[in-house]
Amino acid sequence: AQKVTQAQTEISVVEKEDVTLDCVYETRDTTYYLFWYKQPPSGELVFLIRRNSFDEQNEISGRYSWNFQKSTSSFNFTITASQVVDSAVYFCALSEGRWGLVFGQGTRLTINP
Amino acid sequence: DAGVTQSPTHLIKTRGQHVTLRCSPISGHKSVSWYQQVLGQGPQFIFQYYEKEERGRGNFPDRFSARQFPNYSSELNVNALLLGDSALYLCASTKGTYEQYFGPGTRLTVT
Repeated sequence: AQKVTQAQTEISVVEKEDVTLDCVYETRDTTYYLFWYKQPPSGELVFLIRRNSFDEQNEISGRYSWNFQKSTSSFNFTITASQVVDSAVYFCALSEGRWGLVFGQGTRLTINP
Repeated sequence: DAGVTQSPTHLIKTRGQHVTLRCSPISGHKSVSWYQQVLGQGPQFIFQYYEKEERGRGNFPDRFSARQFPNYSSELNVNALLLGDSALYLCASTKGTYEQYFGPGTRLTVT
């Protein structure tokens, strides 16, 4: 069965600090997709990134970076030089390409000025 | 291009009633998925439709049903509402089977 675990329920840092959100997943498939979504207070889930199981290259997009390691079944998300606007709930999700996404419980990130 | 739209934004119903939620996908997207998000938790998959056919169903009772129309819009129906059905209902559209783009959600309160 598929499962996504985000062990950090809440993280609070001061602006400009770097912060890493952890994500560990379980799947029996060899082909799968991993995602990160951001949910601001408005409630709409905003797509951030998708990685497939065959591509372990780390990715950087501005202040955001993602570290995918199949050996540890992890897909961690780092925000560099955090800003107040980064405050939101972040969800890691898994898909085996057939059904819907399986989400983790989410990490509530608060960036304090 | 317009994103995923959902209606209504908010809804208050009484236990035992029926509710219909609506979703319009991004233009060109043929797949729609529905999720339930209870406060403080991650979204839970309810249904996925592609080309008007059900392609996947999560672990939800038969009180939940959905359909997709020829224009790819979709409805989620919930019968015999329970207090536990109170949640944010999210619709997502997909061009293929990969990244899903979510709408703003419908917040349902059952009293």
